[in-house]
Amino acid sequence: DTEVTQTPKHLVMGMTNKKSLKCEQHMGHRAMYWYKQKAKKPPELMFVYSYEKLSINESVPSRFSPECPNSSLLNLHLHALQPEDSALYLCASSLTTGHANEKLFFGSGTQLSVL
Amino acid sequence: DAKTTQPNSMESNEEEPVHLPCNHSTISGTDYIHWYRQLPSQGPEYVIHGLTSNVNNRMASLAIAEDRKSSTLILHRATLRDAAVYYCILRDSMDSSYKLIFGSGTRLLVRP
Repeated sequence: DTEVTQTPKHLVMGMTNKKSLKCEQHMGHRAMYWYKQKAKKPPELMFVYSYEKLSINESVPSRFSPECPNSSLLNLHLHALQPEDSALYLCASSLTTGHANEKLFFGSGTQLSVL
Repeated sequence: DAKTTQPNSMESNEEEPVHLPCNHSTISGTDYIHWYRQLPSQGPEYVIHGLTSNVNNRMASLAIAEDRKSSTLILHRATLRDAAVYYCILRDSMDSSYKLIFGSGTRLLVRP
């Protein structure tokens, strides 16, 4: 199984809503990532978890709250988002973050629209 | 971080080889060269990576210049399914974060 599964595939939310994005992998990977991708732009790194601990936060606003409850699961909790946060949110995993020749495996993403 | 430069777009005919260039003139000796691609409505997928020597796998070949200031991703026979954005990325093995930072990439159009 070389899949990273993201749910939901699509999400529409209002600016006062609270929602969560979910990401799951069963490859035994110990590093997990959140990326944000606006239309026609490259993915931008948001967070990196290594062995279930947050190791990188790329100065992401606090309305985005990541959580890694175990080595297979990664959540992104959303609260009080703005319309400009509408984007494709991508999850990825890798065996570890420990070597620059490691591959990342990406999910298909959650397309988020904030109204 | 060392940066990469890629053409914005390229076109190819189906069943012909495609050579996608990437310039990285400020590459350091510890930078790995990675290629990912992103098909429409999909997340990025790993294609190939290398350090100094040319590399082949089932998807593509990576040709690295002797001075490592440029590289070329080679798709031997393009198919319609290869239409995607191709990203050339440097990852520094001396950077303990090992971030994967995407540049703007090359959009490949494959004509039937």
